Amino acid sequence: AQKVTQAQTEISVVEKEDVTLDCVYETRDTTYYLFWYKQPPSGELVFLIRRNSFDEQNEISGRYSWNFQKSTSSFNFTITASQVVDSAVYFCALRLIQGAQKLVFGQGTRLTINP
Amino acid sequence: DVKVTQSSRYLVKRTGEKVFLECVQDMDHENMFWYRQDPGLGLRLIYFSYDVKMKEKGDIPEGYSVSREKKERFSLILESASTNQTSMYLCASSPGGGDAYEQYFGPGTRLTVT
Repeated sequence: AQKVTQAQTEISVVEKEDVTLDCVYETRDTTYYLFWYKQPPSGELVFLIRRNSFDEQNEISGRYSWNFQKSTSSFNFTITASQVVDSAVYFCALRLIQGAQKLVFGQGTRLTINP
Repeated sequence: DVKVTQSSRYLVKRTGEKVFLECVQDMDHENMFWYRQDPGLGLRLIYFSYDVKMKEKGDIPEGYSVSREKKERFSLILESASTNQTSMYLCASSPGGGDAYEQYFGPGTRLTVT
């Protein structure tokens, strides 16, 4: 069975600080996809990124960056120079490449950026 | 833009009532999903569907059923609502095929069972 763990339940930082959200996953399969979603106060989950297990290159998109390390089964998410609009709940999720398209989600990390 | 809509943002029902949660997507997606979200537990999959009239159980199907009579609509049914079904319910859809498309989510329905 697959499992995703986000050990940080809540994080609170001051605006402009950098912050990293941790994600650790478990699967016996060697081929899978990893996702990050953002859930702002409005409630609707917004897709941020998808990575497949074949590609361990880190990715940067503006102030967002992702560090994927198969050796430690981690897919961490860093926000640089955080802004109040980054306040949300963030979810990490895993999906196997073979079989059903169901996502397995972590518990979520509530991020609060204080002005 | 993909749009996934859910019939209600907030719903209050009594124990024992039959409850219908409706989800509609407008992008001709084959796959549709129902999740419930609870604090500290993340999102857990209740049921999903790959096609019309097709359904598969997710991780927590007990106490729920689903219906998919049309491609764009996926309904979640609580046959006899109980207080432990008080939760946020999220619907999602994604294209079919072999690639791992992201799922598109609706705004959620916060259900309270009293």
